[in-house]
Amino acid sequence: DAEITQSPRHKITETGRQVTLACHQTWNHNNMFWYRQDLGHGLRLIHYSYGVQDTNKGEVSDGYSVSRSNTEDLPLTLESAASSQTSVYFCASAAAGENQPQHFGDGTRLSIL
Amino acid sequence: GQQLNQSPQSMFIQEGEDVSMNCTSSSIFNTWLWYKQDPGEGPVLLIALYKAGELTSNGRLTAQFGITRKDSFLNISASIPSDVGIYFCAGHRWTSGSRLTFGEGTQLTVNP
Repeated sequence: DAEITQSPRHKITETGRQVTLACHQTWNHNNMFWYRQDLGHGLRLIHYSYGVQDTNKGEVSDGYSVSRSNTEDLPLTLESAASSQTSVYFCASAAAGENQPQHFGDGTRLSIL
Repeated sequence: GQQLNQSPQSMFIQEGEDVSMNCTSSSIFNTWLWYKQDPGEGPVLLIALYKAGELTSNGRLTAQFGITRKDSFLNISASIPSDVGIYFCAGHRWTSGSRLTFGEGTQLTVNP
């Protein structure tokens, strides 16, 4: 079955370190998204991509970057991790076109000490 | 910032009770979606609504797209323990590409 996989599921790191979270989907979806989930804020969009070499900023993109070198992967990088970036991160993918539902991975819990 | 107001933030109910939660917005959405998130997992789509006034059911779940396009509600009938989780509403605008705006979530606890 097609799926979307995030890794690692849990990570602890120190402030100032570079961190990369992986997202891999096997649906061949064009659209991929990264969200962070925090209490009181729901899911907030960090970055998104509508295809290879396409990346766009979401509402909370500062301190994060993404790259899309192939259809299956959209890694999220924290260039210099800050304690404010402690959160649960979700990746999602969707087929191109109207009314295509987003399918979510199981999340990465990131703690920055 | 967040454009969807979801309420209530949390609910504690007894098994067998009905549940109602809603989302409101100050602006129009073209599609309303309801997701459920189980502990340690990602959100899963429950119901999608595409037309103002649309009423859609999925088993014990019923959701409606408000006629003003600025609100939606989700009802769960005869709740069971596995209904526990966080329920999110999400709105989509045609002018936003494939981006969704999410509500803050409703944490549902069902006591056996």
